[in-house]
Amino acid sequence: QLQLQESGPGLVKPSETLSLTCTVSGGSISSSTYYWGWIRQPPGKGLEWIGSIYYSGSTYYNPSLKSRVTISVDPSKNQFSLQLISVTAADTAVYFCARLYGGNSVDYWGQGTLVTVSS
Amino acid sequence: NFMLTQPHSVSESPGKTETISCTRSSGSIASNYVQWYQQRPGSAPTTVIYEDNQRPSGVPDRFSGSIDSSSNSASLTISGLKTEDEADYYCQSYDSSLKVVFGGGTKLTVL
Repeated sequence: QLQLQESGPGLVKPSETLSLTCTVSGGSISSSTYYWGWIRQPPGKGLEWIGSIYYSGSTYYNPSLKSRVTISVDPSKNQFSLQLISVTAADTAVYFCARLYGGNSVDYWGQGTLVTVSS
Repeated sequence: NFMLTQPHSVSESPGKTETISCTRSSGSIASNYVQWYQQRPGSAPTTVIYEDNQRPSGVPDRFSGSIDSSSNSASLTISGLKTEDEADYYCQSYDSSLKVVFGGGTKLTVL
């Protein structure tokens, strides 16, 4: 059974960089069928797609976050990562990592991790 | 890029049928598949419908999806409502550049 697990700091200071890693187990991140993505959900609000990556390194970003986001992949570790720079309180959210079939639809989600931006 | 608009909330009684709409702002609803996710409080979303009208294994056939080109919208219909269906529901689609878009979510209350 495929599992995705987010890891990283739960508290980040304003203006600093948010960094999270997603470890994939039970399947290969190098599968040609799937993309890997990050989705976030501010407290009490809806889902927002941040971006996706293919195992080859091709990336796709939400235009509203593109200037601050970098998603990378490490097939040797079966991991992919998120970096979000210059964070503010508005970036406080539960961050989910996910597998996307064909890059189009999410079929597996991580459990999510709450990241709070506060001094 | 396009937006997906959902009603903020809906409510219906147990045993009844409820339909949640998802309207695409630009471009044809039929041009890219629509997915529907259920999210209970404190949990990650799970898929209830993919590719407009397909149910993953384990999802009851009380859940069905459809698209309507005339209204440029997708719909999730839940029949024989149960209290366990009470959750937030999100529609999702994408564009040709693999940019993923979520609807704002609909809170379903079963009372």
